Amino acid sequence: SQTIHQWPATLVQPVGSPLSLECTVEGTSNPNLYWYRQAAGRGLQLLFYSVGIGQISSEVPQNLSASRPQDRQFILSSKKLLLSDSGFYLCAWSSTGSPNIQYFGAGTRLSVL
Amino acid sequence: AQSVTQPDIHITVSEGASLELRCNYSYGATPYLFWYVQSPGQGLQLLLKYFSGDTLVQGIKGFEAEFKRSQSSFNLRKPSVHWSDAAEYFCAVVAPTRSGNTPLVFGKGTRLSVIA
Repeated sequence: SQTIHQWPATLVQPVGSPLSLECTVEGTSNPNLYWYRQAAGRGLQLLFYSVGIGQISSEVPQNLSASRPQDRQFILSSKKLLLSDSGFYLCAWSSTGSPNIQYFGAGTRLSVL
Repeated sequence: AQSVTQPDIHITVSEGASLELRCNYSYGATPYLFWYVQSPGQGLQLLLKYFSGDTLVQGIKGFEAEFKRSQSSFNLRKPSVHWSDAAEYFCAVVAPTRSGNTPLVFGKGTRLSVIA
């Protein structure tokens, strides 16, 4: 069966520090991968999605970037964190082909102080 | 482009009472429709989905949803709510495509509180 892992679960970082959040999927190949941010009371905001290695679509221009160095690995990064980057970050995957059912990881709680 | 509206930000129901969470979508044809649930500090779990066919779909944890094309709605229901159902609920839609590469569009969510 397929599983998705995110780490770390919780992260506290100072303003201006770098960020690296990792997401990996097991049990499938060539998945679609997604990064979402969830701020309090604001629902889910799609940040990036990827349909293959090195293929990244950015939905919202901001202080963050994403990379997909391997088929089942998706990394969310920042060179310098802002206070506004605080939130709950969720990674999701779906199989290629229709229908597009997304499965989510447990999330990373990021606090920027 | 698709959009999703969940009109209720927060709903409180008594344990044992029935529940209906509303979801309206905007799309020119019939999209694929989903309901997800999120417990505090957790990821999203798929409750149920609709692609085609029978407009009443059954999901996990005793939930069901009904697709009504005439109302562009996909409301989630449960006949008797349990305290463990307290969570955030998200409705999502996506246009059917052959590649399946189009991301889901989520509503802003409805927070459900359950009281004794």
